[in-house]
Amino acid sequence: QVQLQESGPGLVKPSETLSLTCNVSGSFIRSSSYFWGWIRQPPGKGLEWIGHVYYGGRGYYNPSLKSRVTISVDTSKNHFFLTLTSVTAADTAVYFCARLDVSTIDYSFDYWGPGTLVTVSS
Amino acid sequence: QSGLTQPPSASGTPGQRVTISCSGSSSNIASNSVNWYQQLPGTAPKLLVYKNNQRPSGVPDRISGSKSGTSASLAISGLHFDDEADYYCATWDDSLPGPVFGGGTKLTVL
Repeated sequence: QVQLQESGPGLVKPSETLSLTCNVSGSFIRSSSYFWGWIRQPPGKGLEWIGHVYYGGRGYYNPSLKSRVTISVDTSKNHFFLTLTSVTAADTAVYFCARLDVSTIDYSFDYWGPGTLVTVSS
Repeated sequence: QSGLTQPPSASGTPGQRVTISCSGSSSNIASNSVNWYQQLPGTAPKLLVYKNNQRPSGVPDRISGSKSGTSASLAISGLHFDDEADYYCATWDDSLPGPVFGGGTKLTVL
């Protein structure tokens, strides 16, 4: 079955760079039917789309984060990555990776990782 | 920042039917299909309804979704205690362009 799993540091200092990896199993990143995305959820708050990437490497980002975000893929390892620069306390959140089904014109995040809490603090 | 508006809370008793609304605009709900996600405490969101009213395998038929114009709704009938969760609507927003989520509705089963 399809499984996604986030990994990376749980604590990042202000002004530094947040880097997370999503390991995908049961589904090939190198597929024309899916994009691969990141969504975050600050403690006690709602969901915010960060961005998503196609296996060819092109990323699509939330305009509110676009200047600080890069999402990339490694098809050989079936992983994809999130990089968020110049973090502040406002970036403290649970970060989820998810598969975005684009096989029809109706897009949905159909599989999610369990999420990883990243705290920004000195 | 959310472009979709949901009531912050909803409640019902076991066996009742509850509905959760989601209000959007011409750039999102009016021109794209709506998905609904259920998030149990401490877990990742789970896709509950896609393409306005379709249920993934394993989701019971007491769960239903609908859309009209710039609004959508999720209905849960025969309420169970384990339906207690946060529910999020989501759709594509042509003005971003990208996915947008509602602020979430906390459903309490009394």
